[in-house]
Amino acid sequence: AQSVTQPDIHITVSEGASLELRCNYSYGATPYLFWYVQSPGQGLQLLLKYFSGDTLVQGIKGFEAEFKRSQSSFNLRKPSVHWSDAAEYFCAVYSNSGYALNFGKGTSLLVTP
Amino acid sequence: KAGVTQTPRYLIKTRGQQVTLSCSPISGHRSVSWYQQTPGQGLQFLFEYFSETQRNKGNFPGRFSGRQFSNSRSEMNVSTLELGDSALYLCASSLVRQSPEQYFGPGTRLTVT
Repeated sequence: AQSVTQPDIHITVSEGASLELRCNYSYGATPYLFWYVQSPGQGLQLLLKYFSGDTLVQGIKGFEAEFKRSQSSFNLRKPSVHWSDAAEYFCAVYSNSGYALNFGKGTSLLVTP
Repeated sequence: KAGVTQTPRYLIKTRGQQVTLSCSPISGHRSVSWYQQTPGQGLQFLFEYFSETQRNKGNFPGRFSGRQFSNSRSEMNVSTLELGDSALYLCASSLVRQSPEQYFGPGTRLTVT
């Protein structure tokens, strides 16, 4: 069955430190991969996407993600975290059989001063 | 260009009642998908509408239904509300049907008492 796993439920980082959020997927075909961010009481904002080509993709707000087919991973990174990055982050895979986004359970990011 | 709008933003209903939520997609987008977000189940796909027809459906009971109008606006209806229907309901629009690139609205927070 297709699935998306975000192993870390909560992550705490200091402001200015680097960040890596993990995402693993189980999917038969070449996936369409996404990272979304959700601030409290808000909808989902698309950070970046991977469809094909260069496996390192750049997104908004200084985020990047790397697709590693051999590891079935699509980890999100940011070199220096800002307090405003505190939010819930969701990894998603688009299913070409169900024609819908399958989301991970999310990782809650806390940024400390 | 205006984003996806959802009304109302907040709603409180009593068990057994029914509710209708509305979604207006980005101008020019013709497909609307609905997702339910709960703390326990996370983000789950409800259904997709394109050209006023339901094109795809997730694993939800028949109490959950929807429709789409000729201007691409969509409504979602939940009948005989249960406590477990309390959730954030997110609408996403895309340019064409069955598209991986979806843009989300702010959601409607439904509380069933």
